[in-house]
Amino acid sequence: EAEVAQSPRYKITEKSQAVAFWCDPISGHATLYWYRQILGQGPELLVQFQDESVVDDSQLPKDRFSAERLKGVDSTLKIQPAELGDSAMYLCASSPDGGRIAFFGQGTRLTVV
Amino acid sequence: RKEVEQDPGPFNVPEGATVAFNCTYSNSASQSFFWYRQDCRKEPKLLMSVYSSGNEDGRFTAQLNRASQYISLLIRDSKLSDSATYLCVVLRGGGGADGLTFGKGTHLIIQP
Repeated sequence: EAEVAQSPRYKITEKSQAVAFWCDPISGHATLYWYRQILGQGPELLVQFQDESVVDDSQLPKDRFSAERLKGVDSTLKIQPAELGDSAMYLCASSPDGGRIAFFGQGTRLTVV
Repeated sequence: RKEVEQDPGPFNVPEGATVAFNCTYSNSASQSFFWYRQDCRKEPKLLMSVYSSGNEDGRFTAQLNRASQYISLLIRDSKLSDSATYLCVVLRGGGGADGLTFGKGTHLIIQP
């Protein structure tokens, strides 16, 4: 069964350092999402791509976060500099049909110390 | 008002009981509705879509009330393995970016 791949699974970084996460969606899925989930909360959308274009990044803290999907396939989410409040699970999801049903990767659990 | 609101619980329910929880959404232009299940420290997974006519999948029944803007999930004959967080998800619509918005989730604990 096709899966959304994310790496790394776990990341510990010091505050003020840069950190990057990678996501490879299910083949053929045009829509890709990055979500952030703080423990005990629901996932919150950071950015949505349709192919290589950003269609929603209204909740992305652009002073420190950036996301790209250059060839419309895999995607990278970067944080620079990391802050203690960025500690969370970062989930990537992809969808084949304009976002109706999303399939999630296992996530990257980030701890900022 | 939050776009998608759920009672976070926890709901502590004895095995075999029936449990129901609701979710309300604020955007009347929302197009599609889903319930996702998330186990502890795992990724969310689609449980079922929600249709206006109501839909059933085994022990699970989902209902949508567009007039009142709420969605419900009913679990019959609950099993220990049903213990999880249930996330209400709404697909925005009406132009612009169509994105999935998640509620905070309802934590369900089935007790033996």
